[in-house]
Amino acid sequence: GEDVEQSLFLSVREGDSSVINCTYTDSSSTYLYWYKQEPGAGLQLLTYIFSNMDMKQDQRLTVLLNKKDKHLSLRIADTQTGDSAIYFCAEITGGNNRKLIWGLGTSLAVNP
Amino acid sequence: DAGITQSPRHKVTETGTPVTLRCHQTENHRYMYWYRQDPGHGLRLIHYSYGVKDTDKGEVSDGYSVSRSKTEDFLLTLESATSSQTSVYFCAISPGQGTGQPLYNEQFFGPGTRLTVL
Repeated sequence: GEDVEQSLFLSVREGDSSVINCTYTDSSSTYLYWYKQEPGAGLQLLTYIFSNMDMKQDQRLTVLLNKKDKHLSLRIADTQTGDSAIYFCAEITGGNNRKLIWGLGTSLAVNP
Repeated sequence: DAGITQSPRHKVTETGTPVTLRCHQTENHRYMYWYRQDPGHGLRLIHYSYGVKDTDKGEVSDGYSVSRSKTEDFLLTLESATSSQTSVYFCAISPGQGTGQPLYNEQFFGPGTRLTVL
């Protein structure tokens, strides 16, 4: 079945770049999303990318998609302590029964 | 912020008691979801609704039931709570599911309910 995988933890120093990786299995996925969950709160959409795009940039965020390898990454430039959160990768599967499949989330710790 | 509220925000109950969690939205979105979030398991879908009185099971529906009698309210009931149902429960809403433009499928989340079953 469809699956989305992420590494569970990432630790970076303030000011460095963070790269959070995600792999998925559904080759017919249509959109891929990155959500952010701050401590004690629900998830919020951070950014998304169409499955026919290679890259999307939005201020400090860069999303890279390698469709051949089914690999998605989120790069956060100049990481700040306020970026400490859990980041979830999710995909909308293709086919007739489209649904949202979530990764387990990557916990990003930003150290001063 | 999308208008989603969950009540209660915290609850402690005993094994075997029924529990009902409420999700209320003011966005008039068609789709509503109940998730549970547990360490090491990420978000798991319990049930979802695609309209008034239209609901379907998610991946972890055993022991849970839902009802949606109005567009704005989606109730999650634990018929007889067990310790394995101790979790943080999130409600989410979205205009669409899998169709249209990406932002049409964006899910907006409530603040969560922390449930402890002793």
